Amino acid sequence: AQTVTQSQPEMSVQEAETVTLSCTYDTSESNYYLFWYKQPPSRQMILVIRQEAYKQQNATENRFSVNFQKAAKSFSLKISDSQLGDTAMYFCAFMKHPEYGNKLVFGAGTILRVKS
Amino acid sequence: GAVVSQHPSRVICKSGTSVKIECRSLDFQATTMFWYRQFPKQSLMLMATSNEGSKATYEQGVEKDKFLINHASLTLSTLTVTSAHPEDSSFYICSARQTGGNQPQHFGDGTRLSIL
Repeated sequence: AQTVTQSQPEMSVQEAETVTLSCTYDTSESNYYLFWYKQPPSRQMILVIRQEAYKQQNATENRFSVNFQKAAKSFSLKISDSQLGDTAMYFCAFMKHPEYGNKLVFGAGTILRVKS
Repeated sequence: GAVVSQHPSRVICKSGTSVKIECRSLDFQATTMFWYRQFPKQSLMLMATSNEGSKATYEQGVEKDKFLINHASLTLSTLTVTSAHPEDSSFYICSARQTGGNQPQHFGDGTRLSIL
């Protein structure tokens, strides 16, 4: 079974600074997908970024980028130029290749607070 | 695009009442929908996977007779909490996945269920 570990329950960052959220996972699969979801106080789950395991290039979405280390089974999220609206709970998630099912396995989450 | 609507957003009812929650994909067809439960400041726990036109697949420990799932069309899945009790109070979130390839799950806004 796959497991996802987020070792940072809470983090704080000053507005405009950069912060990195860590995520590690355990799987015997070779083909899979990794995601970062954001859940602001409104409770809606918002997809931030995703990475396909077969792609070596790290995914980027504007101020959000990942450091995907497949051998180390690590998938960290870097948020640059942090904004107050980035305050939320962030979940790292794993999904096997859709051919083998579509279930997401979530980490425990990291609460990120951006301070002005 | 890829909007998922969940209704109602908040329910308060007496113990013993059955409560139905709807999850609709508004602008895409979803052969698979997922139902999650989330306790405060915790991660999402997958309850069941709902497949259009067939029986839902429940995760271990989830009572199928307690949480009835119906996925009658490609855009609608419902979760009915039968004879709800205070311990069923929680935040319930649905998600829907577009058919094909590596499409991510898109989440509804969630339903806060409070049983008195």
